Amino acid sequence: EVQILESGGGLVQPGRSLRLSCTASGFTFDDYAMHWVRQAPGKGLEWVSGISWNSGSVVYADSVRGRFTISRDNAKNSLYLEMKSLRVEDTALYYCIKGLRSRAILDYFDFWGQGTLVTVSS
Amino acid sequence: EIVLTQSPATLSLSPGERATLSCRARQSVSTYLAWYQQKPGQAPRLLIFDASNRATGIPARFSGSGSGTDFTLTISSLEPEDFALYYCQQRRKWPFTFGPGTKVDI
Repeated sequence: EVQILESGGGLVQPGRSLRLSCTASGFTFDDYAMHWVRQAPGKGLEWVSGISWNSGSVVYADSVRGRFTISRDNAKNSLYLEMKSLRVEDTALYYCIKGLRSRAILDYFDFWGQGTLVTVSS
Repeated sequence: EIVLTQSPATLSLSPGERATLSCRARQSVSTYLAWYQQKPGQAPRLLIFDASNRATGIPARFSGSGSGTDFTLTISSLEPEDFALYYCQQRRKWPFTFGPGTKVDI
């Protein structure tokens, strides 16, 4: 059974940093691209960042490029999102997601964690 | 970025009725389009990928069609558990984008 568990969310002041983590099990982690998608309270879905199975390809939404860094540790079945210079508009539930197909980065979002809430407020 | 629009914003139907949801892209995404279902307090779930392929475990009452810029998600006969929010998403180009969603309610 695929399981994905995010952690690291919380309340943070504008301009500060936060690191999200995601631990996965139930599949061969190093075969799949992973993504972060966020959802502001009461709003729709926004893709944030994705990373290929071997970290060779990393992509970001324009809204976070230069402030957020995605990374993974395949030995630990873990995905990370380092977030710097946080803004009020970064407030959202952040989902960690497994890609649909093995070794594909331009792919759909197959299995979603339950999310971790990031609140940016003074 | 590729902008996706969805219509209608809300679809009010009864169990047993047929639901037809539309997603339109401002430029062609070929068939690189997916549909997701989200229920309150839950993470989204992949329903359809590559415009017409059902994801694992998705009931046959869900079907997708379309290519290029116009896509449709059809729920042939609504079950009580199908009342939810539905999003389309394209993977034709970075950044991946989602539509604003269609709410199917009673």
